[in-house]
Amino acid sequence: QQQVKQSPQSLIVQKGGISIINCAYENTAFDYFPWYQQFPGKGPALLIAIRPDVSEKKEGRFTISFNKSAKQFSLHIMDSQPGDSATYFCAASRSRETSGSRLTFGEGTQLTVNP
Amino acid sequence: NAGVMQNPRHLVRRRGQEARLRCSPMKGHSHVYWYRQLPEEGLKFMVYLQKENIIDESGMPKERFSAEFPKEGPSILRIQQVVRGDSAAYFCASSGSLGGYTFGSGTRLTVV
Repeated sequence: QQQVKQSPQSLIVQKGGISIINCAYENTAFDYFPWYQQFPGKGPALLIAIRPDVSEKKEGRFTISFNKSAKQFSLHIMDSQPGDSATYFCAASRSRETSGSRLTFGEGTQLTVNP
Repeated sequence: NAGVMQNPRHLVRRRGQEARLRCSPMKGHSHVYWYRQLPEEGLKFMVYLQKENIIDESGMPKERFSAEFPKEGPSILRIQQVVRGDSAAYFCASSGSLGGYTFGSGTRLTVV
């Protein structure tokens, strides 16, 4: 009930290509869905987040698509760059502002963008 | 604003020793969370604390692990009698009353 499943485990794309990472959740009480980017030796950093009242959110080259009925959401990275090479985690929580709420993370996707 | 500060960055302990991990939240943040990340895995929630109170410890192992967030000073995650399976990266995050969930850079614990 609390799981968030993420795929693929690893992804290799060419510079300029589109990177797509998918997540699925089970708990319909989740109402906040952030994506985090993590570089080696660093903590996760918030990239972009969405609430279930919208189906898409775009910030620069990063877009979240959200399908409430399917309980799925995905991250699209347009014009992928070598500097985007990192591990990406989707997450979910039951609090819109994540203040006082635990995050449930997916297992992560290791993205490599080749020059 | 120095962000969430964790120390030490790396910690090596022999089996049976105690590990103490410290976390200073961002200025103005009163909520602290601890997560554990095993190699090649995502982060797993351990415990959520506010000043002097444990709010949710549902992710904490029942034995050897404890956490505190005193009125003064950093939050402490304590692991007693460490075993090799405790080797992981431990991340602290903090948030304020309006959100702003921010992670520190973590403590890498190695048990030898």
